[in-house]
Amino acid sequence: DGGITQSPKYLFRKEGQNVTLSCEQNLNHDAMYWYRQDPGQGLRLIYYSQIVNDFQKGDIAEGYSVSREKKESFPLTVTSAQKNPTAFYLCASSIGGGLSTDTQYFGPGTRLTVL
Amino acid sequence: SQQGEEDPQALSIQEGENATMNCSYKTSINNLQWYRQNSGRGLVHLILIRSNEREKHSGRLRVTLDTSKKSSSLLITASRAADTASYFCATDGGLYGGSQGNLIFGKGTKLSVKP
Repeated sequence: DGGITQSPKYLFRKEGQNVTLSCEQNLNHDAMYWYRQDPGQGLRLIYYSQIVNDFQKGDIAEGYSVSREKKESFPLTVTSAQKNPTAFYLCASSIGGGLSTDTQYFGPGTRLTVL
Repeated sequence: SQQGEEDPQALSIQEGENATMNCSYKTSINNLQWYRQNSGRGLVHLILIRSNEREKHSGRLRVTLDTSKKSSSLLITASRAADTASYFCATDGGLYGGSQGNLIFGKGTKLSVKP
C-alpha cells in the first residue's frame, strides 16, 4: 500500500447523497485509476487518468465523476445517480506514458455502504 | 469486459503443499501480470510475464504463459499460511482495449493455506 493512500477506510452514505472518496499518491506517477470490486468479483475500471487535467471513462463510469487537478490527487465522487454504490473502491497509480508493461500500485481501499 | 478468468475460484491446501492457479484470457496480449490481495486490502503486484516469455520465477513463485492456448498459470511452492489471499491475473488486452497501460482483471482465485 506504500505511497498511495485512500480515505476514509469506511464510508456510509444515505440514499440520495453524493460522497467523495479521496486518493493521494506520492510516487510521482502520471497515471491513476479507480476500480470497483464487488464481493467475490474482480476489479472493474470506473475512470482513469493518464495525465493531469485529463481523464477517461472506464467500463462502468455511469453514476461516478472524477477530477485530476493535481498530479498527486484523483478524487472519486459517487453520485446519487449510481444505483448500487455499495462496494469496495480501489485506487491505483502507475508510471504512465501509455506503457503496456506498467505495474499498478494500489491503495488500501475504501468500503462504501449505502444505508 | 473481463478478459482473464481464473481457475479454480477457490483452493484450499495444507501448509507445505504447492498451489497452482490458472488464468485464461480471450484476446492477444502484450503481457500478463499476477496480483495478490489480502482480505479487505489493496492489490499487490507479484510478477509480470511478457508475451514472448514462457516461464518466469520470483522466489517461490513460478509463472508460465502459453499464448497459443491463451492461458497462464501461477505456482506457489511450499505454501505458507501467510500465502492465504486472493490471486488475480491481469492482462493489458493487447489489441482489445487495454491501451494506455490499462489492465483487465479476472475474478480471482481465493487461496486458503491451512497450518
